Amino acid sequence: QSALTQPRSVSGSPGQSVIISCTGTSSDVGGYNYVSWFQHHPGKAPKLMIYDVSERPSGVPDRFSGSKSGNTASLTISGLQTEDEADYYCCSFAGSFWLFGGGTKLTVL
Amino acid sequence: QVQLQQWGAGLLKPSETLSLTCAVYGGSFSGYSWSWIRQPPGKGLEWIGEISQSGSISYNPSLKSRVTISVDTSKNQFYLRVNSVTAADTAVYYCAAGGNYWGQGTLVTVSS
Repeated sequence: QSALTQPRSVSGSPGQSVIISCTGTSSDVGGYNYVSWFQHHPGKAPKLMIYDVSERPSGVPDRFSGSKSGNTASLTISGLQTEDEADYYCCSFAGSFWLFGGGTKLTVL
Repeated sequence: QVQLQQWGAGLLKPSETLSLTCAVYGGSFSGYSWSWIRQPPGKGLEWIGEISQSGSISYNPSLKSRVTISVDTSKNQFYLRVNSVTAADTAVYYCAAGGNYWGQGTLVTVSS
């Protein structure tokens, strides 16, 4: 199985919005409403930001939102802050296992 | 608040067996799925496998032949074993509970 497809990098200025896409197939992203997004700062453990496509865990700012259309899921970060600079990974259920995306490096200029 | 603490050997030779333990504090095994995830140097996250809330175990198809995940509920611990390791298994290994809670990560290096 191949990793889900994410852009290698995205960037934005403080206060702006960015969208990170995550493209899979009908066997994973398109087939289930079980897409999660993780924020990963190097040297630290990943942090769950979105689960079940668009649900936010307690404590995650509402600047982070998730959506899905067909085989592509998206993470939108609005009102960018410098601390948002990190790697972001999508993760989708694929029937009997979970599949991560290749990761997207977000740079806040 | 669930906390995970993990440990295991950090340096292995090719063909040896990787063994990691993840201890769960402050939570019940029935409340989460329990996963192992790894990140090779300079690469992305890779899901290894998990024990679901119902107790069923699933594995990444690409690793399934070499991986065993088990649990000891009496000790509130779960385990990862990877047989016949190679340099490609060099990675930071994480245990996680439902995606919400993560261990601190363990760097495992495979080198002769």
